[in-house]
Amino acid sequence: AQSVTQPDIHITVSEGASLELRCNYSYGATPYLFWYVQSPGQGLQLLLKYFSGDTLVQGIKGFEAEFKRSQSSFNLRKPSVHWSDAAEYFCAVVRMDSSYKLIFGSGTRLLVRP
Amino acid sequence: GAGVSQSPSNKVTEKGKDVELRCDPISGHTALYWYRQSLGQGLEFLIYFQGNSAPDKSGLPSDRFSAERTGGSVSTLTIQRTQQEDSAVYLCASSLGTGGGGQPQHFGDGTRLSIL
Repeated sequence: AQSVTQPDIHITVSEGASLELRCNYSYGATPYLFWYVQSPGQGLQLLLKYFSGDTLVQGIKGFEAEFKRSQSSFNLRKPSVHWSDAAEYFCAVVRMDSSYKLIFGSGTRLLVRP
Repeated sequence: GAGVSQSPSNKVTEKGKDVELRCDPISGHTALYWYRQSLGQGLEFLIYFQGNSAPDKSGLPSDRFSAERTGGSVSTLTIQRTQQEDSAVYLCASSLGTGGGGQPQHFGDGTRLSIL
């Protein structure tokens, strides 16, 4: 069965520092992968997506992610974090059945130190 | 343009009461999903609509939960005889059809349901 693991429950970084959030997936074929961000009291906002092709994908707000098949990973990165990036981040994979519903990781809460 | 709209944003009700949660998807989006976000369970799929039909209801936790969609647009999630474990944020998402899984889902801000 498809699954997603986000091993870090929370991460704290200083403003201006670089960021990497980890995501590992379980799926035999090429997965469809997404990163979403959720600010308090808000819904989920799509940051970026990977379907095929170039393994480095660019998203909104300066985020990027790299798909590595050999490591079953899809880690999210940002070179310089801003205080407004503090939020919860979810990695998700599409369940390849008739509904194409999303299977989410448990999320990583990002705290940004001033 | 307008995004996915959910109402109410917050709902507090007593145990045993029925509640209705509403979702207005993005215009033209044929696929609609309901998810539940709770502390213990994370984000879980509840039900999927394509047009007005629901080919996948596999995530509904019990027969107290039901949902419908009319006119290929608005959807209502109904919880009967609410229990405290129903307390969660209920999120609705829509997409331009499934596109073989390639169409991203766009989420509303959710309804925070609290059962007293």
